[in-house]
Amino acid sequence: ETGVTQTPRHLVMGMTNKKSLKCEQHLGHNAMYWYKQSAKKPLELMFVYNFKEQTENNSVPSRFSPECPNSSHLFLHLHTLQPEDSALYLCASSPWASASTDTQYFGPGTRLTVL
Amino acid sequence: GQQLNQSPQSMFIQEGEDVSMNCTSSSIFNTWLWYKQDPGEGPVLLIALYKAGELTSNGRLTAQFGITRKDSFLNISASIPSDVGIYFCAGQRRGATNKLIFGTGTLLAVQP
Repeated sequence: ETGVTQTPRHLVMGMTNKKSLKCEQHLGHNAMYWYKQSAKKPLELMFVYNFKEQTENNSVPSRFSPECPNSSHLFLHLHTLQPEDSALYLCASSPWASASTDTQYFGPGTRLTVL
Repeated sequence: GQQLNQSPQSMFIQEGEDVSMNCTSSSIFNTWLWYKQDPGEGPVLLIALYKAGELTSNGRLTAQFGITRKDSFLNISASIPSDVGIYFCAGQRRGATNKLIFGTGTLLAVQP
């Protein structure tokens, strides 16, 4: 148990569906992240939020829409996804965004399959 | 994006053997992190290193932050079956706020 939870753990959706991934951290951290992990590829950073403000969008397609209502919760809204978007989506949090020695803690991930 | 060179890609060992893996980069890092990931789970932080030359242990795991700040290694002593998984290094460069660069991973298989 890392203090970062993600729901659902598994999700299967069609290309026309709309779904949301949820992340919650219980560590009192101020930064939260979304990563995508595809088979045989390194982790890809998608979005970064510091103190609820988005500070990084790593050229992510608009069919992925993040939302951070507070420092403890992070959502990833999904719509009109493609089969190649199937992957493990990982949420992470860290204590303070601008510290050069900030350490990130990951959730268990949501395994997403797009049919 | 940039990746760290992590080696070996995979290791198949007998229970009880020691394991060593490393990461190298052409850039200087301020932080080195080592994670373990089990199938279908997120990476779990094993060891964090913040100073050049730092040597840190966590049970049977030992990691070092290279003096040049461009490399790090992880050793596992007396391996056991539950050590099976993928081990990732990750580094953060000075000024690269929030941006971890990940290695390509080392798959470890331990035969009882």
